[in-house]
Amino acid sequence: EPEVTQTPSHQVTQMGQEVILRCVPISNHLYFYWYRQILGQKVEFLVSFYNNEISEKSEIFDDQFSVERPDGSNFTLKIRSTKLEDSAMYFCASSEGARGNEQFFGPGTRLTVL
Amino acid sequence: GQQLNQSPQSMFIQEGEDVSMNCTSSSIFNTWLWYKQDPGEGPVLLIALYKAGELTSNGRLTAQFGITRKDSFLNISASIPSDVGIYFCAGSNAGGTSYGKLTFGQGTILTVHP
Repeated sequence: EPEVTQTPSHQVTQMGQEVILRCVPISNHLYFYWYRQILGQKVEFLVSFYNNEISEKSEIFDDQFSVERPDGSNFTLKIRSTKLEDSAMYFCASSEGARGNEQFFGPGTRLTVL
Repeated sequence: GQQLNQSPQSMFIQEGEDVSMNCTSSSIFNTWLWYKQDPGEGPVLLIALYKAGELTSNGRLTAQFGITRKDSFLNISASIPSDVGIYFCAGSNAGGTSYGKLTFGQGTILTVHP
């Protein structure tokens, strides 16, 4: 069964450093998303991406964040200058269509900012 | 923004018992989804609901989309130890100007005693 994959599973970085989190969405899906989950809290929407551009973003997704689909398979989230409060699980999700909206999530990347 | 209140926060039940949890929203959604999350993993889609009043089953799971479009419930019948995990409701208004951003509830932690 096709699934969303994410790398790395765990990333440790120093405050102020840049990180890139990688995702490979399900191959026939057209809509891509990033969410984050701070330990013990609910999952929060960051950004949606369709047709090679950001379609929607939350207030969390400030200028320090960017997303890219550099080729036909990868979808990346970059945090330019990490802060302590960026420590969280980051989940990539994809869906075939926005209206159908059955979003399938990857296993997540645990980001720890020291 | 839209807020989802999910209850109960946690449940401790005996194997074989039925479980019920629900979500209410301050505003309407046109899609409700239920996810299960195991520790350290991504949310796994259980059931998706698209019409007000819709009742959908997936094995021992049954979920309903409330008539007012502001609530949904999930029932698990005859619970088993592998039902342990965190259950999240999520709402979406995909279509129109929204590209499927999911708003999540706070989660229900389910513990099943054998």
